[in-house]
Amino acid sequence: DAKTTQPPSMDCAEGRAANLPCNHSTISGNEYVYWYRQIHSQGPQYIIHGLKNNETNEMASLIITEDRKSSTLILPHATLRDTAVYYCIVRVAFFRYNFNKFYFGSGTKLNVKP
Amino acid sequence: GAGVSQSPRYKVAKRGQDVALRCDPISGHVSLFWYQQALGQGPEFLTYFQNEAQLDKSGLPSDRFFAERPEGSVSTLKIQRTQQEDSAVYLCASSLAFRSPITEAFFGQGTRLTVV
Repeated sequence: DAKTTQPPSMDCAEGRAANLPCNHSTISGNEYVYWYRQIHSQGPQYIIHGLKNNETNEMASLIITEDRKSSTLILPHATLRDTAVYYCIVRVAFFRYNFNKFYFGSGTKLNVKP
Repeated sequence: GAGVSQSPRYKVAKRGQDVALRCDPISGHVSLFWYQQALGQGPEFLTYFQNEAQLDKSGLPSDRFFAERPEGSVSTLKIQRTQQEDSAVYLCASSLAFRSPITEAFFGQGTRLTVV
């Protein structure tokens, strides 16, 4: 299973873009990149996912490099409520047996400061 | 309900006691996952259900851990003879489908188990 590497923590000024990097150099062709975040004392919350194209939704943008070995989650205008641990996950899906699971690492603690 | 519901939110158990943690997934969700999250760590996979079938229990740390989902809806994670190292937040997640890799999982708020 592909593993991910993220910096343990990052700071970002409120109103600025937060760019969270993730390395997944062993990702295989049929594995997706997912991002979740976990605000203190809550369960993880889905943010966005992608395979090889850049993706954008109302929460964030996901930029995946052409070789798919790394990606960046972008929060365009960070707010104090975005302070959380952000997890980059490579999702393995076993179609034959129809089960799947997420491997979380330690994530990046994003501190948004006023 | 609107989301994944877990109960109790907090549980204190004496070492050696049995505990049962409940998960109510989102109605209609086929897939259900249990995760264990130690303090300061990311969640770690325990087990996976597709409807009532437990298709993967490779993450269960010992035979003291047992999970069931008898009618394909509510799930219970049972821990027998609890030990201090079982202290953690236990997270439940559900997702709608299982054939596609692109369905996101929705997590509950978790049950914080403290073994004293």
